[in-house]
Amino acid sequence: QVQLQESGPGLVKPSQTLSLTCTVSGASISSGSYFWTWIRQPAGKGLEWIGRIYASGSTNYNPSLRSRVTISVDTSKNQFSLNLSSVTAADTAVYYCEALAAPFDYWGQGTLVTVSS
Amino acid sequence: QSVLTQPPSVSAAPGQKVTISCSGSSSNIAKNYVSWYQQLPGTAPKLLIYGNNKRPSGIPDRFSGSKSGTSGTLVITGLQTGDEADYYCGTWDNSLSSGVFGGGTKLTVL
Repeated sequence: QVQLQESGPGLVKPSQTLSLTCTVSGASISSGSYFWTWIRQPAGKGLEWIGRIYASGSTNYNPSLRSRVTISVDTSKNQFSLNLSSVTAADTAVYYCEALAAPFDYWGQGTLVTVSS
Repeated sequence: QSVLTQPPSVSAAPGQKVTISCSGSSSNIAKNYVSWYQQLPGTAPKLLIYGNNKRPSGIPDRFSGSKSGTSGTLVITGLQTGDEADYYCGTWDNSLSSGVFGGGTKLTVL
């Protein structure tokens, strides 16, 4: 059974960089089977696709966030990470990591990140 | 403003059927598979439908999906109170080179 766990600071100051890590167990992040994806959800609002990385290292990003987002993989730790720079209050949300290889789809429990001084 | 358009809410009585629409465009739904997710309160989304109309193992056949042109549809039959949740459609957008979601539909089982 594949399990994902997000980790990182729950509070980030405006203009700083939000950094989250998703630790994967039950699957190898370098196996090439899954798309490793970050998705966020502001309180009371819908899902927003942030971006994804494939085992090859190729990435796709939401155009609205592309200038501020970097997703990377650490195969030695079986983790993938999200960096979002120059954050504002609008970046406050629950951040989820997802592993998708339809029909197999696994999500982390989500982690709340608040942007505030 | 979501790329895919869903009704904000739908409702129906237990045992009845409900339909949730997802409207897109020629750059997303028309050319790619549609997925549907169920999000129960306080939990992460769960994949209900992939590939327009396929169900992952463990998803009851009360849930079905379809696609026609630039729209996708989720149908839930034999509604149960436990089906009360937010439902999201999602797909790939070729113009944006990005995944996209609908704004979500809140299902109330009266």
